[in-house]
Amino acid sequence: RKEVEQDPGPFNVPEGATVAFNCTYSNSASQSFFWYRQDCRKEPKLLMSVYSSGNEDGRFTAQLNRASQYISLLIRDSKLSDSATYLCVVNDNYGQNFVFGPGTRLSVLP
Amino acid sequence: DVKVTQSSRYLVKRTGEKVFLECVQDMDHENMFWYRQDPGLGLRLIYFSYDVKMKEKGDIPEGYSVSREKKERFSLILESASTNQTSMYLCASTYNPEGNTEAFFGQGTRLTVV
Repeated sequence: RKEVEQDPGPFNVPEGATVAFNCTYSNSASQSFFWYRQDCRKEPKLLMSVYSSGNEDGRFTAQLNRASQYISLLIRDSKLSDSATYLCVVNDNYGQNFVFGPGTRLSVLP
Repeated sequence: DVKVTQSSRYLVKRTGEKVFLECVQDMDHENMFWYRQDPGLGLRLIYFSYDVKMKEKGDIPEGYSVSREKKERFSLILESASTNQTSMYLCASTYNPEGNTEAFFGQGTRLTVV
């Protein structure tokens, strides 16, 4: 079983749609959780950290369920510029061991 | 702004050549990482370093070595390049407080071994 698994994608959605990405992780000792965004032929960049209480940043909402070892990302009112690959990232040891999921590609269509 | 700089965006090397990929970060980060990214496989950790002259193997260290002589520089070495090492290589660095940390990535080096 892979350490971090994500929806296989790709997701093709119309502008304005709401889209949800799911991620599960296998190591119950994981400490920190993140969503990264990677544009085509670019490096990954932090989209948002994920906290136990859940957190929201504009149109983006991240949730963490430690009991189920599950992380989600919700994008509301999707824009063309949201098209990218979304990477779920789990950190086991305070910055010394990042494990990346394979990513889910999103295409927002006009 | 944190800056992580990789020495080359694109490289073409011949099978058997020794290849050096350089990465420099300017924010005094303790931890540095080398990943390769391949379609369908995501980012896989090759090596990481949490201090000068310290290194730890990641998930796929075979065929690679690293060097960290200075805190700001982390080099990935392909001792004898092979075609299956054709990939996108990404360097990252993190500060290491207790708690959440963000990884900052370089722009990537697309290596082709012919």
